[in-house]
Amino acid sequence: GNSVTQMEGPVTLSEEAFLTINCTYTATGYPSLFWYVQYPGEGLQLLLKATKADDKGSNKGFEATYRKETTSFHLEKGSVQVSDSAVYFCALSDLTNAGKSTFGDGTTLTVKP
Amino acid sequence: EAGVAQSPRYKIIEKRQSVAFWCNPISGHATLYWYQQILGQGPKLLIQFQNNGVVDDSQLPKDRFSAERLKGVDSTLKIQPAKLEDSAVYLCASSSRIQDTEAFFGQGTRLTVV
Repeated sequence: GNSVTQMEGPVTLSEEAFLTINCTYTATGYPSLFWYVQYPGEGLQLLLKATKADDKGSNKGFEATYRKETTSFHLEKGSVQVSDSAVYFCALSDLTNAGKSTFGDGTTLTVKP
Repeated sequence: EAGVAQSPRYKIIEKRQSVAFWCNPISGHATLYWYQQILGQGPKLLIQFQNNGVVDDSQLPKDRFSAERLKGVDSTLKIQPAKLEDSAVYLCASSSRIQDTEAFFGQGTRLTVV
């Protein structure tokens, strides 16, 4: 079956540090890939997505590139802010399985001033 | 645009009791999902509807969980009887179509079974 593996957290960084959260996946076919973010006290919301190999998703300074050869979709940001503190979930959506989504277990990011 | 509405936000029940959660998706969204998110884990899909038909319920514990989406709009998820291990956040999400599009999530219902 499909699976998503995220780097284990929690991750603690100082403001303006570089962020990488690793994500690898296993899937049949050609899934779409997503990063969702959950801020404290709020629901999950889409951060960025990529629907085919070599696509780069970007939003709010975050980027992730769909790498089919390494089955990865790592999240990066060049300079984090305190307001980026949240839980980040990598996910895939499998069109060969009616669009069923599979999520990673999440990575908690804390950014300190 | 109104988001996905869920109620209640919190619920505490004793084991072996019953509980129901309600979800109103974004207007016009054909696909509706119920997820279970246990503390420290990612959301796990319980059931997926396309309009009022079930697309996937392979991970729904059908001996105690049931869900319906009458008229292809609102949905309810029921647990009867509840077990301690059902303590989790139950998330409802909707999307305009199945394939590769953004899913919009509600804020969830936090269930505690004591």
